[in-house]
Amino acid sequence: NAGVTQTPKFQVLKTGQSMTLQCAQDMNHNSMYWYRQDPGMGLRLIYYSASEGTTDKGEVPNGYNVSRLNKREFSLRLESAAPSQTSVYFCASSELDYGYTFGSGTRLTVV
Amino acid sequence: GIQVEQSPPDLILQEGANSTLRCNFSDSVNNLQWFHQNPWGQLINLFYIPSGTKQNGRLSATTVATERYSLLYISSSQTTDSGVYFCAVSGAGSYQLTFGKGTKLSVIP
Repeated sequence: NAGVTQTPKFQVLKTGQSMTLQCAQDMNHNSMYWYRQDPGMGLRLIYYSASEGTTDKGEVPNGYNVSRLNKREFSLRLESAAPSQTSVYFCASSELDYGYTFGSGTRLTVV
Repeated sequence: GIQVEQSPPDLILQEGANSTLRCNFSDSVNNLQWFHQNPWGQLINLFYIPSGTKQNGRLSATTVATERYSLLYISSSQTTDSGVYFCAVSGAGSYQLTFGKGTKLSVIP
């Protein structure tokens, strides 16, 4: 089925460990996004990629890096995880400014 | 940046009732979307509606851009409508969708 696929779905990290969240879309969308969702905070943009080869910071980029590997894939890396990065992470893609499609999310716990 | 306020924060409905959710935003927008997050966490795009009115089954949405608000109407609510409804906007030239904090809807049988 067409959509956005995120892996893994769940992850527990120890403080200081690193990991990469993977995201792939098969809708040929140009733009891709990483959001985090915390209780009572709605969704906040971490990084986005308007098109292949470009990435830009969003509202809460500190502690994260991203890579737009190709048009389909957009990964999010935590170099040294901190408890404050415990959250649910969502990847999304869109064409132009509308029609956002979200992945099913990654629930990350940093202990 | 643009501020987004949603009301009410919580809403409990009897199955079959109608409801109206509101989204106010602080500046002009070129993109406004409504999303439903179901109890399992999945986010579903309901409407792309920077202006005007759209309908999809029991759901409809209206955005009055000049007055900086949008309304989501749910008619004949069903238990499957439960979840959190988010409004998200972005301004001209911006790729950043700013989300409101959502309205949590509980539909009871």
